[in-house]
Amino acid sequence: QVQLVQSGAEVKKPGASVNVSCKASGYIFTSSYMQWVRQAPGQGLEWMGMINPNGGTTSYAPNFQGRVAVTRDTSTSTVYMELNSLTSEDTAVYYCARGRYDSTGYYSDYWGQGTLVTVSS
Amino acid sequence: QIVVTQEPSLTVSPGGTVTLTCASSTGAVSSGYSPNWFQQKPGQAPRALIYSTDNKHSWTPARFSGSLLGGKAALTLSGVQPEDEAEYYCLLYYGGAHWVFGGGTKLTVL
Repeated sequence: QVQLVQSGAEVKKPGASVNVSCKASGYIFTSSYMQWVRQAPGQGLEWMGMINPNGGTTSYAPNFQGRVAVTRDTSTSTVYMELNSLTSEDTAVYYCARGRYDSTGYYSDYWGQGTLVTVSS
Repeated sequence: QIVVTQEPSLTVSPGGTVTLTCASSTGAVSSGYSPNWFQQKPGQAPRALIYSTDNKHSWTPARFSGSLLGGKAALTLSGVQPEDEAEYYCLLYYGGAHWVFGGGTKLTVL
């Protein structure tokens, strides 16, 4: 069965960077892309970016361009999301979600459990 | 800046029917936007319900259906159950591997 297991909660100081991992299992890692989504406390979902593990091509939302980097390690079926120059507004739960494309279009199906990142001095 | 708009909140009676919509600031939503719908309950990760406008995942209850309605993507719940009380989000694809979520609809079953 498809599983996405994320790394544990993080506490960071303003200006620091955070690296969240998402380990995939139960499917061919390079056959699906991976998206990153975040949710600030009491707020909605925000799409951050994605990576195609087959080749490593990335795409980022304008709000995060230049501050986020998504990478992958095909040997361990793991995707990483690094967010730099953290501020208190980056306090949120960060999710990875598997994305696919077929004859019907693009979609996301399985999600990780979420990783809480707290930015506080 | 693309904005995807959903009703902030809706209330439905148990057993009733309710339709949630998802509009794009760029114009009418079509199948090319590959509308996805997700359900999220407090403290849980989102759960995928509908993809590519009207396709259900294997785990999606039959009472959930997706469509295009009046230039918007729509999610209809028929025969609403108490456990359907949740936040619902739509997600639209804008090409170039770029996606935008709607602001979410809080559905109350009362």
